[in-house]
Amino acid sequence: GAVVSQHPSWVICKSGTSVKIECRSLDFQATTMFWYRQFPKQSLMLMATSNEGSKATYEQGVEKDKFLINHASLTLSTLTVTSAHPEDSSFYICSARERGGGRGEQYFGPGTRLTVT
Amino acid sequence: DAKTTQPPSMDCAEGRAANLPCNHSTISGNEYVYWYRQIHSQGPQYIIHGLKNNETNEMASLIITEDRKSSTLILPHATLRDTAVYYCIVRPRDDKIIFGKGTRLHILP
Repeated sequence: GAVVSQHPSWVICKSGTSVKIECRSLDFQATTMFWYRQFPKQSLMLMATSNEGSKATYEQGVEKDKFLINHASLTLSTLTVTSAHPEDSSFYICSARERGGGRGEQYFGPGTRLTVT
Repeated sequence: DAKTTQPPSMDCAEGRAANLPCNHSTISGNEYVYWYRQIHSQGPQYIIHGLKNNETNEMASLIITEDRKSSTLILPHATLRDTAVYYCIVRPRDDKIIFGKGTRLHILP
């Protein structure tokens, strides 16, 4: 149980284009989802927190107009990288917390590797 | 800011117990100790968590000192598949996870 999937697992796009990454909780309802970014040999950095049906809360220094997050249902959140540039190339990982989850775990997706050329 | 201190790297021989320390001297009363690991190019995986009592599950054991200022994650019989970065995180149960730098564990054949 508690599986989180991401699609696509990797994507290559040209500079200036937009890319959408999907995050789904497969066997549970997630009221809260999180988006992280990880550069090579670095730790995960939290980008934003999204609650179903409301606007995402972005961490300091993360451009909300560049990284659009939509959490339209209890099982799906999307991250859209708009006007991507090579410096946006990174490993993007989503995480979900179960609705009413009493133990507080966050379940992580397998990640999406974005390369902007 | 990460509230924990972990050694940057550790080695452990395959088949032996891997003991990963974590210092969290400023832990608050409502904060739990969580451990996650990240195998290369994968998403983090939950391992175990505890508040003040020692905990054990099928993956590992968590030993928390009585003053709760430090803890140790124990992998009882390490295998090559346990090579990963291990993150010790302290947080209230429903708070977001902020990752520190973790410990890179190398299991040696």
